[in-house]
Amino acid sequence: SQQGEEDPQALSIQEGENATMNCSYKTSINNLQWYRQNSGRGLVHLILIRSNEREKHSGRLRVTLDTSKKSSSLLITASRAADTASYFCATDNQAGTALIFGKGTTLSVSS
Amino acid sequence: DSGVTQTPKHLITATGQRVTLRCSPRSGDLSVYWYQQSLDQGLQFLIQYYNGEERAKGNILERFSAQQFPDLHSELNLSSLELGDSALYFCASSPHGLASEQYFGPGTRLTVT
Repeated sequence: SQQGEEDPQALSIQEGENATMNCSYKTSINNLQWYRQNSGRGLVHLILIRSNEREKHSGRLRVTLDTSKKSSSLLITASRAADTASYFCATDNQAGTALIFGKGTTLSVSS
Repeated sequence: DSGVTQTPKHLITATGQRVTLRCSPRSGDLSVYWYQQSLDQGLQFLIQYYNGEERAKGNILERFSAQQFPDLHSELNLSSLELGDSALYFCASSPHGLASEQYFGPGTRLTVT
């Protein structure tokens, strides 16, 4: 089964609105990452948050991590049509040698 | 552009055949990872190599194998292909042998008919 599970599976918003995606995982992690994938293309790394961090910012992205609840959220502020993509959270396996991806949230931003 | 290259971009082949997918990591990256992405299974980690040695194994079938060469490029070999092997195959690289930020290639779309 997947280590990370994103919620919701799909999200549709208007340009300028904020988009929030959540990720839950099952086992202890060293870090959690978020990736973006435009349709049928390679994944692009967005942000990495370590297990001892609670919040991280990068431009319009804000990621939080709650290790007690084994969950993370990705907030995209002031969404643009170009943010339309699938977003995946990924956690490391117990050995810290690979990433385990969730099934992703598909975000659609309309103008 | 991530700096990771994959060839070919598309591959169409018949059941029972064997194919080889190639990946060149970013300059200086020692780790290469292979992933399979399909609609029903999502993005699945297959295998990782670090500086020529296998480091981790995920959901890789016995019909699949990989290697990393001294120049650090990697190949994923898929044999006795089945319809269910149709998927996008991604290669990623990272500087170290840990699950740090990974840089993904554009993928190879394999269609088995």
